[in-house]
Amino acid sequence: KNQVEQSPQSLIILEGKNCTLQCNYTVSPFSNLRWYKQDTGRGPVSLTIMTFSENTKSNGRYTATLDADTKQSSLHITASQLSDSASYICVVSLTNQAGTALIFGKGTTLSVSS
Amino acid sequence: KAGVTQTPRYLIKTRGQQVTLSCSPISGHRSVSWYQQTPGQGLQFLFEYFSETQRNKGNFPGRFSGRQFSNSRSEMNVSTLELGDSALYLCASSLLQERRNTGELFFGEGSRLTVL
Repeated sequence: KNQVEQSPQSLIILEGKNCTLQCNYTVSPFSNLRWYKQDTGRGPVSLTIMTFSENTKSNGRYTATLDADTKQSSLHITASQLSDSASYICVVSLTNQAGTALIFGKGTTLSVSS
Repeated sequence: KAGVTQTPRYLIKTRGQQVTLSCSPISGHRSVSWYQQTPGQGLQFLFEYFSETQRNKGNFPGRFSGRQFSNSRSEMNVSTLELGDSALYLCASSLLQERRNTGELFFGEGSRLTVL
Protein backbone atom coordinates (compact mmCIF):
# COMPACT_ATOMS: atom_id res chain seq x y z
CA LYS A 1 0.00 0.00 0.00
CA ASN A 2 1.34 3.46 -0.90
CA GLN A 3 1.88 5.37 2.32
CA VAL A 4 3.79 8.35 3.66
CA GLU A 5 4.52 8.48 7.38
CA GLN A 6 5.83 11.59 9.09
CA SER A 7 7.37 11.94 12.51
CA PRO A 8 7.13 13.43 14.97
CA GLN A 9 3.47 14.44 14.81
CA SER A 10 4.31 17.66 16.65
CA LEU A 11 7.42 19.35 17.91
CA ILE A 12 8.21 22.32 20.13
CA ILE A 13 11.62 23.96 20.02
CA LEU A 14 13.24 27.17 21.21
CA GLU A 15 14.02 29.93 18.79
CA GLY A 16 17.52 29.59 17.38
CA LYS A 17 17.66 25.82 17.76
CA ASN A 18 17.88 23.30 14.90
CA CYS A 19 15.42 20.51 14.28
CA THR A 20 14.90 17.60 11.91
CA LEU A 21 11.61 16.27 10.63
CA GLN A 22 11.30 12.75 9.23
CA CYS A 23 9.37 11.27 6.33
CA ASN A 24 9.25 7.54 5.52
CA TYR A 25 7.44 6.31 2.46
CA THR A 26 6.35 3.10 0.81
CA VAL A 27 5.43 4.47 -2.60
CA SER A 28 6.13 2.75 -5.87
CA PRO A 29 6.99 3.63 -8.54
CA PHE A 30 8.60 6.70 -6.99
CA SER A 31 8.70 9.88 -9.06
CA ASN A 32 9.62 12.71 -6.70
CA LEU A 33 9.33 13.88 -3.11
CA ARG A 34 8.33 17.34 -1.97
CA TRP A 35 8.26 19.17 1.32
CA TYR A 36 5.67 21.86 1.86
CA LYS A 37 5.26 24.43 4.61
CA GLN A 38 1.75 25.39 5.62
CA ASP A 39 1.12 28.36 7.88
CA THR A 40 -2.09 28.26 9.90
CA GLY A 41 -5.06 29.21 7.74
CA ARG A 42 -2.98 29.40 4.56
CA GLY A 43 -2.28 27.12 1.64
CA PRO A 44 0.89 24.97 1.55
CA VAL A 45 3.99 26.46 -0.03
CA SER A 46 6.68 24.33 -1.63
CA LEU A 47 10.07 24.25 0.08
CA THR A 48 11.93 21.63 -1.93
CA ILE A 49 11.33 18.99 -4.56
CA MET A 50 13.70 16.06 -5.14
CA THR A 51 13.84 13.36 -7.75
CA PHE A 52 15.27 9.87 -7.39
CA SER A 53 18.84 10.91 -8.16
CA GLU A 54 19.02 13.85 -5.76
CA ASN A 55 20.32 13.35 -2.23
CA THR A 56 20.24 16.87 -0.82
CA LYS A 57 18.52 20.10 -1.67
CA SER A 58 18.58 23.36 0.25
CA ASN A 59 16.30 26.36 0.38
CA GLY A 60 17.75 28.92 2.73
CA ARG A 61 17.69 27.52 6.26
CA TYR A 62 15.79 24.45 5.05
CA THR A 63 17.74 21.39 3.88
CA ALA A 64 16.02 18.27 2.64
CA THR A 65 17.71 14.91 2.20
CA LEU A 66 16.54 11.83 0.37
CA ASP A 67 17.69 8.24 0.70
CA ALA A 68 15.91 6.37 -2.07
CA ASP A 69 17.32 3.03 -0.91
CA THR A 70 15.79 3.22 2.56
CA LYS A 71 12.86 5.34 1.33
CA GLN A 72 13.47 8.03 3.89
CA SER A 73 13.62 11.80 3.70
CA SER A 74 14.35 14.42 6.30
CA LEU A 75 13.86 18.15 6.51
CA HIS A 76 16.43 19.97 8.61
CA ILE A 77 15.72 23.49 9.81
CA THR A 78 18.70 25.51 10.94
CA ALA A 79 18.61 28.37 13.45
CA SER A 80 14.83 28.26 13.78
CA GLN A 81 12.78 31.45 13.81
CA LEU A 82 9.32 32.17 15.16
CA SER A 83 8.08 32.31 11.57
CA ASP A 84 9.03 28.66 11.13
CA SER A 85 6.03 27.72 13.28
CA ALA A 86 3.85 25.85 10.80
CA SER A 87 2.85 22.43 9.57
CA TYR A 88 5.38 20.65 7.33
CA ILE A 89 3.97 18.18 4.86
CA CYS A 90 5.86 15.49 2.96
CA VAL A 91 4.37 14.52 -0.39
CA VAL A 92 5.53 11.65 -2.58
CA SER A 93 4.58 11.43 -6.23
CA LEU A 94 4.21 8.24 -8.21
CA THR A 95 3.69 7.93 -11.93
CA ASN A 96 2.47 4.85 -13.75
CA GLN A 97 0.41 4.07 -16.81
CA ALA A 98 -2.72 5.25 -15.02
CA GLY A 99 -1.23 8.68 -14.49
CA THR A 100 0.30 10.57 -11.60
CA ALA A 101 -0.82 10.35 -8.00
CA LEU A 102 0.33 12.27 -4.94
CA ILE A 103 0.56 10.56 -1.58
CA PHE A 104 0.46 12.99 1.34
CA GLY A 105 1.84 12.60 4.82
CA LYS A 106 -0.28 13.96 7.65
CA GLY A 107 2.34 16.55 8.49
CA THR A 108 4.47 17.59 11.43
CA THR A 109 3.34 20.62 13.40
CA LEU A 110 6.32 22.69 14.50
CA SER A 111 6.04 25.34 17.18
CA VAL A 112 8.98 27.67 17.74
CA SER A 113 8.89 29.57 21.00
CA SER A 114 10.96 32.50 22.22
CA LYS B 1 2.06 37.13 -11.49
CA ALA B 2 -1.17 36.44 -9.64
CA GLY B 3 -1.34 33.28 -7.56
CA VAL B 4 -4.08 30.69 -7.32
CA THR B 5 -7.35 32.33 -6.32
CA GLN B 6 -10.06 30.48 -4.48
CA THR B 7 -13.54 31.74 -3.71
CA PRO B 8 -15.26 31.96 -1.37
CA ARG B 9 -12.70 31.90 1.45
CA TYR B 10 -15.25 31.03 4.11
CA LEU B 11 -18.75 29.64 3.99
CA ILE B 12 -21.28 28.06 6.28
CA LYS B 13 -23.88 25.60 5.07
CA THR B 14 -26.37 23.25 6.68
CA ARG B 15 -26.69 19.52 6.22
CA GLY B 16 -28.36 18.51 2.98
CA GLN B 17 -27.42 21.66 1.11
CA GLN B 18 -24.95 21.78 -1.74
CA VAL B 19 -21.93 24.00 -2.28
CA THR B 20 -19.84 25.12 -5.24
CA LEU B 21 -16.25 26.27 -4.81
CA SER B 22 -14.24 28.08 -7.45
CA CYS B 23 -10.56 28.07 -8.33
CA SER B 24 -8.65 30.27 -10.78
CA PRO B 25 -5.19 28.84 -11.49
CA ILE B 26 -2.01 30.74 -12.18
CA SER B 27 -1.99 32.07 -15.73
CA GLY B 28 -0.58 29.42 -18.06
CA HIS B 29 -1.19 26.51 -15.68
CA ARG B 30 -3.53 23.98 -17.20
CA SER B 31 -3.49 21.40 -14.44
CA VAL B 32 -5.78 21.98 -11.47
CA SER B 33 -6.20 19.63 -8.55
CA TRP B 34 -8.42 19.72 -5.48
CA TYR B 35 -7.77 18.54 -1.94
CA GLN B 36 -9.70 18.21 1.28
CA GLN B 37 -7.82 18.98 4.48
CA THR B 38 -9.06 18.03 7.94
CA PRO B 39 -7.13 17.95 11.22
CA GLY B 40 -7.45 14.18 11.55
CA GLN B 41 -6.80 13.09 7.97
CA GLY B 42 -4.47 15.74 6.64
CA LEU B 43 -4.55 16.54 2.93
CA GLN B 44 -6.56 14.12 0.82
CA PHE B 45 -6.65 14.19 -2.96
CA LEU B 46 -10.06 14.76 -4.52
CA PHE B 47 -9.46 15.03 -8.26
CA GLU B 48 -7.24 16.52 -10.92
CA TYR B 49 -8.14 18.19 -14.18
CA PHE B 50 -6.08 18.94 -17.26
CA SER B 51 -7.46 20.57 -20.40
CA GLU B 52 -11.04 20.15 -19.17
CA THR B 53 -10.58 16.41 -18.60
CA GLN B 54 -10.50 14.65 -15.27
CA ARG B 55 -7.17 12.82 -15.11
CA ASN B 56 -7.26 11.34 -11.65
CA LYS B 57 -9.82 10.90 -8.92
CA GLY B 58 -9.39 10.22 -5.24
CA ASN B 59 -11.42 7.94 -3.04
CA PHE B 60 -14.38 10.19 -2.33
CA PRO B 61 -18.11 9.53 -2.80
CA GLY B 62 -19.96 10.67 -5.88
CA ARG B 63 -21.34 13.65 -3.95
CA PHE B 64 -18.01 15.29 -4.72
CA SER B 65 -17.66 16.40 -8.31
CA GLY B 66 -15.72 18.91 -10.30
CA ARG B 67 -15.15 20.37 -13.69
CA GLN B 68 -12.70 22.53 -15.56
CA PHE B 69 -13.48 25.20 -18.10
CA SER B 70 -11.66 26.09 -21.28
CA ASN B 71 -9.87 28.95 -19.50
CA SER B 72 -8.54 26.40 -16.96
CA ARG B 73 -10.69 27.74 -14.14
CA SER B 74 -12.17 24.95 -12.11
CA GLU B 75 -15.11 24.38 -9.82
CA MET B 76 -15.90 21.65 -7.37
CA ASN B 77 -19.33 20.81 -6.07
CA VAL B 78 -20.40 18.92 -3.00
CA SER B 79 -24.04 17.86 -2.87
CA THR B 80 -26.11 16.70 0.09
CA LEU B 81 -23.63 18.08 2.59
CA GLU B 82 -22.79 16.09 5.70
CA LEU B 83 -21.23 17.28 8.95
CA GLY B 84 -18.05 15.41 8.05
CA ASP B 85 -17.60 17.55 4.95
CA SER B 86 -16.49 20.44 7.14
CA ALA B 87 -12.93 21.06 6.03
CA LEU B 88 -10.50 23.32 4.26
CA TYR B 89 -10.74 22.71 0.52
CA LEU B 90 -7.54 23.53 -1.30
CA CYS B 91 -6.98 24.00 -4.99
CA ALA B 92 -3.56 23.75 -6.61
CA SER B 93 -2.36 24.48 -10.11
CA SER B 94 0.76 23.29 -11.90
CA LEU B 95 2.55 22.92 -15.20
CA LEU B 96 1.91 19.37 -16.25
CA GLN B 97 4.33 17.67 -18.63
CA GLU B 98 2.32 14.98 -20.19
CA ARG B 99 2.14 11.96 -17.90
CA ARG B 100 5.09 12.84 -15.73
CA ASN B 101 4.18 15.47 -13.17
CA THR B 102 7.49 16.98 -12.24
CA GLY B 103 5.85 20.34 -11.86
CA GLU B 104 5.61 22.13 -8.57
CA LEU B 105 2.17 22.56 -7.02
CA PHE B 106 1.00 26.07 -6.25
CA PHE B 107 -1.79 26.11 -3.71
CA GLY B 108 -4.49 28.68 -3.14
CA GLU B 109 -5.44 29.87 0.32
CA GLY B 110 -8.37 27.50 0.46
CA SER B 111 -12.09 27.65 1.06
CA ARG B 112 -13.08 26.82 4.61
CA LEU B 113 -16.43 25.07 4.66
CA THR B 114 -18.39 24.62 7.86
CA VAL B 115 -21.43 22.35 7.76
CA LEU B 116 -23.92 22.79 10.58
